Amino acid sequence: GQQLNQSPQSMFIQEGEDVSMNCTSSSIFNTWLWYKQDPGEGPVLLIALYKAGELTSNGRLTAQFGITRKDSFLNISASIPSDVGIYFCAGFEETSGSRLTFGEGTQLTVNP
Amino acid sequence: DAGVIQSPRHEVTEMGQEVTLRCKPISGHNSLFWYRQTMMRGLELLIYFNNNVPIDDSGMPEDRFSAKMPNASFSTLKIQPSEPRDSAVYFCASSLLTGNYEQYFGPGTRLTVT
Repeated sequence: GQQLNQSPQSMFIQEGEDVSMNCTSSSIFNTWLWYKQDPGEGPVLLIALYKAGELTSNGRLTAQFGITRKDSFLNISASIPSDVGIYFCAGFEETSGSRLTFGEGTQLTVNP
Repeated sequence: DAGVIQSPRHEVTEMGQEVTLRCKPISGHNSLFWYRQTMMRGLELLIYFNNNVPIDDSGMPEDRFSAKMPNASFSTLKIQPSEPRDSAVYFCASSLLTGNYEQYFGPGTRLTVT
């Protein structure tokens, strides 16, 4: 099935730095979702994007739905230690119905 | 508001035993999804229901796995007999059938089969 290419796989940054991660696909997506997963917990929805070009913020997080509808990025500004976790992109293809496709995740480590 | 509720949070069982995982979706949500997460394969969709009806079970690994949704507020995922390779974290998620389709995940059940 369709896979989302998420990069980078891991990031090691200092507290206060900005972070950027992205997802790309070979097919068109109607919706992009960004999740964060803490150890021992389920993924938590951070941001949802519904229109090409849409730019949405949630606190220090900003995500954009690519104009081509085949990519999305997530930025985290002024990172703090509690930003540590795995970030997943996910999306609905045009023909996938309710089936959500996930990226492989980006493991973020923030050094205080 | 309560989110998706899963039980148990942890399950340790011996190979060959039956395992039943339970899920209560968010009230008002009419789509329910069962996922499995492992290091090797990431998040895999096993099955999903719309209005309590199974729509796509192509992700269910084999006949040892079965899922039911007898009503809008309860679903089970059963493994019988369990095998060590079934060890994983199993997540339930729910969403609205129409509108934005955002899926909200439960805390998961960590299953260990020895």
